[in-house]
Amino acid sequence: DTEVTQTPKHLVMGMTNKKSLKCEQHMGHRAMYWYKQKAKKPPELMFVYSYEKLSINESVPSRFSPECPNSSLLNLHLHALQPEDSALYLCASSQDYGTGVTGANVLTFGAGSRLTVL
Amino acid sequence: DAKTTQPNSMESNEEEPVHLPCNHSTISGTDYIHWYRQLPSQGPEYVIHGLTSNVNNRMASLAIAEDRKSSTLILHRATLRDAAVYYCILRRANTGNQFYFGTGTSLTVIP
Repeated sequence: DTEVTQTPKHLVMGMTNKKSLKCEQHMGHRAMYWYKQKAKKPPELMFVYSYEKLSINESVPSRFSPECPNSSLLNLHLHALQPEDSALYLCASSQDYGTGVTGANVLTFGAGSRLTVL
Repeated sequence: DAKTTQPNSMESNEEEPVHLPCNHSTISGTDYIHWYRQLPSQGPEYVIHGLTSNVNNRMASLAIAEDRKSSTLILHRATLRDAAVYYCILRRANTGNQFYFGTGTSLTVIP
């Protein structure tokens, strides 16, 4: 299994809703990532988890709350979002993360969850 | 983070080779050069990576300048399925595994 699966593919929510995006991989990867991508822009790194612990938070607003329940799952909990948070949210995984990681440590991305905030 | 510079867009005729350039003049000795591409309505996918030597795989070739300040992704025969945004990314190996995407090159393949 060489896939990263993201659900849901599409999500529409109001500014007062609470929702979650889910990501799953069964490649035995120990690092997982959330990226945000606005239309016609490159992906922007949000969070990195390594061995189920948060390693990087790129100053993301607290209305985005990541969670890594186990090495195969990554969630992004959404609360009180703004319309400008509408974007494609991409999950990725890699074999490892940290100092001394080799060049073979490539990212595998999911297809993304397209979020619309009304 | 070391930055990369790519042309915003390029065109190629189908079945002809495509050379996608990337400048990374502030590259450090531990930076790997990675290329990813993003097809419409999909997440990015890995294409190729290298450190100092030229690399070949089933998808493409990567030519790295001797001073490592630039690189070129080579698609040997462009097909319509190669139409995508191609990202050149530097990954610093000794400080983690963060991948920061630049603006990329949008490749149009003309039938």
